[in-house]
Amino acid sequence: DVKVTQSSRYLVKRTGEKVFLECVQDMDHENMFWYRQDPGLGLRLIYFSYDVKMKEKGDIPEGYSVSREKKERFSLILESASTNQTSMYLCASSFNEKLFFGSGTQLSVL
Amino acid sequence: GDSVTQMEGPVTLSEEAFLTINCTYTATGYPSLFWYVQYPGEGLQLLLKATKADDKGSNKGFEATYRKETTSFHLEKGSVQVSDSAVYFCALSDRPSSASKIIFGSGTRLSIRP
Repeated sequence: DVKVTQSSRYLVKRTGEKVFLECVQDMDHENMFWYRQDPGLGLRLIYFSYDVKMKEKGDIPEGYSVSREKKERFSLILESASTNQTSMYLCASSFNEKLFFGSGTQLSVL
Repeated sequence: GDSVTQMEGPVTLSEEAFLTINCTYTATGYPSLFWYVQYPGEGLQLLLKATKADDKGSNKGFEATYRKETTSFHLEKGSVQVSDSAVYFCALSDRPSSASKIIFGSGTRLSIRP
């Protein structure tokens, strides 16, 4: 079975802090994604990556950056966390257009 | 840009009722279409997919047909069960290739009464 692991299930940070969310997949998938999930808004794509060091902006990239130095790891970075970035963050990898999701990180920015 | 619009919830039905959840899309190319499901306390998982016009995806009694003329991919089930209570997301993949961007609708919460 494909395993997508997100480093933290719950995270609490202060406004202005730099936040790193880590995601690792074990199936050698080329594509990886970061979404945020908010009630009533569904899943919104922040960034995705289709190869090491390659990335594309999604629909809401502002305030975020990403890093893909190794194929199995895709990191989401909040350069200066703000309260409107409080959300559930979901990482996924894909093969043949099928997404495999991690269990999510609930981030609260106070 | 590409987008997915699905009917707002929540949708509440009695067991054995017929279910339809509407989904329409906007895309410049020829997207693949998907339904994902999120059961309470669980992660999202693929329910079904269709990759070209007139394809029908099916799984667990659910069906959806890719209608290019109406840009729709409505989810249907003939007789719902309490265990179908979940949030359902319609999604599209904008490029049928390895570098595809996958975007989602806002989700529809379904509750089934015994």
